[in-house]
This record gives sequence, structure tokens and C-alpha cells, in this order.
Amino acid sequence: GAGVSQSPRYKVAKRGQDVALRCDPISGHVSLFWYQQALGQGPEFLTYFQNEAQLDKSGLPSDRFFAERPEGSVSTLKIQRTQQEDSAVYLCASSFRTSPLHFGNGTRLTVT
Amino acid sequence: QKEVEQDPGPLSVPEGAIVSLNCTYSNSAFQYFMWYRQYSRKGPELLMYTYSSGNKEDGRFTAQVDKSSKYISLFIRDSQPSDSATYLCAMSANTGNQFYFGTGTSLTVIP
Repeated sequence: GAGVSQSPRYKVAKRGQDVALRCDPISGHVSLFWYQQALGQGPEFLTYFQNEAQLDKSGLPSDRFFAERPEGSVSTLKIQRTQQEDSAVYLCASSFRTSPLHFGNGTRLTVT
Repeated sequence: QKEVEQDPGPLSVPEGAIVSLNCTYSNSAFQYFMWYRQYSRKGPELLMYTYSSGNKEDGRFTAQVDKSSKYISLFIRDSQPSDSATYLCAMSANTGNQFYFGTGTSLTVIP
């Protein structure tokens, strides 16, 4: 595709609900990253995939957060039992080999 | 101490001014340096990408990296109202690893 696509663009969840956020990376990009961006802050690393392998998940804030990329292209970030502190913009980025990150427009999650 | 420090501003300049944006970092292993521009409710958009020390110019934008001082800069010449956005610096030791971001500097260019 032309760029990284994320859906939904906006998600409102009641506290305790599970949510799933989708990322379609640029075609052919082997690396895929998830970042969390709080209001007025820079993106904070969550997890990283190379193809279908999750090589680093050190940034996931709790075991309620889970990410997968089963076929090495589309990725899903799942948050179970959402809490208010999970409210943020979730950014997906992809890259090819040594290229820099290319970001999608993010999913803005609001937990009420 | 955060890996990357960036003054959040806000910074307000008149149209046509030269803008200087800066970041400092602590990890001497960083060798890939990027500047991103982020408009409200959009994802970060890559502006400049440099490897190791030195300068890189692209139109009105110049990126500088001083690894000895652990200091990077982005200069915007002849600033335009359309440059009003948040500017994020980012860096990495290896492109396969984590990219560390600054908090972003909010810039407003006044017509």
C-alpha cells in the first residue's frame, strides 16, 4: 500500500472492555513497531516484530497488552480489561531493512 | 534520566525566521538520527534521516549531528505558517532496534 494504515482511527471503550487495534504496514516492510503516545509526549516503544517474530516486547506496560503478526504483514495490538491510564494514541510504524520508521496516523483510544 | 532530551517549547516565531530545534542524548551507541514532523491528529512524518556525525541539507531543512557532544539540531530556514507542527527527534543504535524519541517541540510560525 501507499502508507501504513491503522484502524480504527478512534476507539472509545468502557473500563474493563477488551480492544483490538489493527495495523497494515507498507507492503514489503519486514519490521513493524508499535508505539504509545500520550498527550504532549513523544512516542514510547511498546513492541517490535521482524516478519512474524516478536523480537522485543520490553515496552508493553503490563500483561494486559498483547501483540501479534501471525503472517508477517498485518499486526494487531490487543488490550485486555482496559484501564483509564491506557488512554493514548497507539502508533504503528514499519520499515524495510535499514530505512527509518514510517508511521500510520494512529488509533486514539479513550477509556471511559 | 531519559535517553533523549528535547525542549518541549512552545516556540513561536514570525514567518521567514530561522528556527533552531535541538535534542541531546546520553547513549553513545546511537548512530541513526531522525527528525519527524507531526501535525495535530496525524502520525509523525519523516523529515530528515542521518547516519553518524555531520550535516545534511534538504531544501529549507538542515540536520546537524555532533556525536562528540551528543547533540543534534534541525534548522528551518525561511519558516512558513505550514511549518507549524510538533517536531520530534528520534535516534537508534541500530535500525533493527528501538528508536528513542524526544518529547517533541511545538512550533508556531506566525504569518
